[in-house]
Amino acid sequence: GEDVEQSLFLSVREGDSSVINCTYTDSSSTYLYWYKQEPGAGLQLLTYIFSNMDMKQDQRLTVLLNKKDKHLSLRIADTQTGDSAIYFCAEKPNQGGKLIFGQGTELSVKP
Amino acid sequence: KAGVTQTPRYLIKTRGQQVTLSCSPISGHRSVSWYQQTPGQGLQFLFEYFSETQRNKGNFPGRFSGRQFSNSRSEMNVSTLELGDSALYLCASSLQATNTEAFFGQGTRLTVV
Repeated sequence: GEDVEQSLFLSVREGDSSVINCTYTDSSSTYLYWYKQEPGAGLQLLTYIFSNMDMKQDQRLTVLLNKKDKHLSLRIADTQTGDSAIYFCAEKPNQGGKLIFGQGTELSVKP
Repeated sequence: KAGVTQTPRYLIKTRGQQVTLSCSPISGHRSVSWYQQTPGQGLQFLFEYFSETQRNKGNFPGRFSGRQFSNSRSEMNVSTLELGDSALYLCASSLQATNTEAFFGQGTRLTVV
């Protein structure tokens, strides 16, 4: 089946690293994504990783994928107050455009 | 390049009415997907269109329908509105149906009273 799980809340201090975790169930997923949603806004695509990769780095963002455990994580280095938002993990289970989203992790960054 | 444009941004409707939401994808993008976001159910896939054809449909009642025009703009319609249809409706656009990157609009906030 298709299911994506995330923890609901994460609180960090400004300047620390944040790690947001996600597990998924569909082993046929081709791509896995991280989106950011700020209050009253749509979803902003942060980064994505192809399922045959282990890691992807993009400036302050590092994505790690453990395909065996179906575990995905997003690390934000030097977290800033502007990073406070809800972060969604999503999987793309087949060749179509449908995305399956997790419940979202609310990241709170304290000064 | 303009992003994904959804209109209107906010809408208030009464139970039993119908509503039409519009989505203009990024120029050159041919695939449009719709999602419903609610606090209880999170983000749920409604349907996906590519080249005016519905390619995929989520698990929603027949009151939810959509279409795509030859210029790739898409509309979704909800008939006989229920209180539970209150949600943020998000549209995503991709270059092709199998494209890696999907870009979302700001959404339409629908409130049913």
